[in-house]
Amino acid sequence: EDKVVQSPLSLVVHEGDTVTLNCSYEVTNFRSLLWYKQEKKAPTFLFMLTSSGIEKKSGRLSSILDKKELFSILNITATQTGDSAVYLCAVEAGGSQGNLIFGKGTKLSVKP
Amino acid sequence: DAGITQSPRHKVTETGTPVTLRCHQTENHRYMYWYRQDPGHGLRLIHYSYGVKDTDKGEVSDGYSVSRSKTEDFLLTLESATSSQTSVYFCAISDGNYRGSSNEKLFFGSGTQLSVL
Repeated sequence: EDKVVQSPLSLVVHEGDTVTLNCSYEVTNFRSLLWYKQEKKAPTFLFMLTSSGIEKKSGRLSSILDKKELFSILNITATQTGDSAVYLCAVEAGGSQGNLIFGKGTKLSVKP
Repeated sequence: DAGITQSPRHKVTETGTPVTLRCHQTENHRYMYWYRQDPGHGLRLIHYSYGVKDTDKGEVSDGYSVSRSKTEDFLLTLESATSSQTSVYFCAISDGNYRGSSNEKLFFGSGTQLSVL
């Protein structure tokens, strides 16, 4: 059975800290891994990774994929209160007709 | 932001009543999805559509049906609502190609909070 596991489930840090969120997966015919940020409403797209070892970066956020060890990390440096959200990891697997398999998310709380 | 509108935004209903949630898109994307999100479970796929009148079941399809008569509209129906269907329902769309997209990026609607009493 395909599965995506995120850790930790929740995390509390202070502004300025650096955090690392983890996502491991076991899927058939991996195609891509995606990260989403969910605040109060709809998840919003952050990154899509398809190749190992290539870092995707956007401002203070970055992500990298390890296809050999079947995991990805999402790093956030110099955290701000606006980074407080649930971060979702999802994997697109072959044969899934376009479906994404989501992890349960990591709830990040950034304290002032 | 992707043009996705879900309606209603909130609904309270009683057990045993039928409920229909609507998703409308203005992006002309081929794929549309219905997910539910519950604490401890994350987002789970209910049904999806890969074209007009082309739909398929997802992970948690029991108790739900869908219809897509037009590209822009995807309806989710609970034929006889139960308390276990209390959840937040998200519609999503994608411009991925059928059979093997490597550019799968879902764009989500704002969700419908459904409470079944």
